[in-house]
Amino acid sequence: GQNIDQPTEMTATEGAIVQINCTYQTSGFNGLFWYQQHAGEAPTFLSYNVLDGLEEKGRFSSFLSRSKGYSYLLLKELQMKDSASYLCAVSDSNYQLIWGAGTKLIIKP
Amino acid sequence: GAVVSQHPSRVICKSGTSVKIECRSLDFQATTMFWYRQFPKQSLMLMATSNEGSKATYEQGVEKDKFLINHASLTLSTLTVTSAHPEDSSFYICSARGTSGREEQFFGPGTRLTVL
Repeated sequence: GQNIDQPTEMTATEGAIVQINCTYQTSGFNGLFWYQQHAGEAPTFLSYNVLDGLEEKGRFSSFLSRSKGYSYLLLKELQMKDSASYLCAVSDSNYQLIWGAGTKLIIKP
Repeated sequence: GAVVSQHPSRVICKSGTSVKIECRSLDFQATTMFWYRQFPKQSLMLMATSNEGSKATYEQGVEKDKFLINHASLTLSTLTVTSAHPEDSSFYICSARGTSGREEQFFGPGTRLTVL
């Protein structure tokens, strides 16, 4: 079967760095996405990785290792507004997105 | 980035009535649109995938006669919840994927449906 695993909840301190991991087992791979979702709102796109390596975009970076079925989202200089759920999703062989359950990130002052 | 709108943003209806939700891609052509449902504190659940001009593909367990999907144009898809019941109360979100070759989905703002 297809499976995406990510931690349910993480807590970090304002100004710090946090890494959210995602492991996946899917039938085929056409890229991995990270989305941010604030409570009561729709997800917003953060990053897309289809090749191995690190993609940096401002305070957010995303890493992919296809051989390990592993990705992480790195958030630097955390701000209170970064408190949200972070969803990992993999595009399978049919370009269907398989969603993880999301990681709720709590930022403390 | 691409913009997807959804209307209405919030709807309250009586049990047994039908509710139509519209999803529009405003500045790009969406060959594929997706409808998701999300219950509180849970992840997104894909309900169906619709391609312009063809019948929607429903996920297992989703009743196609209850959740009618029409993707009549490259910029509009509609979801109609027929004979709504309180258990249909949820957050319904659409997303659209364009023809640019990138596979990311752009999400609408969601519709909060409450069935009394």
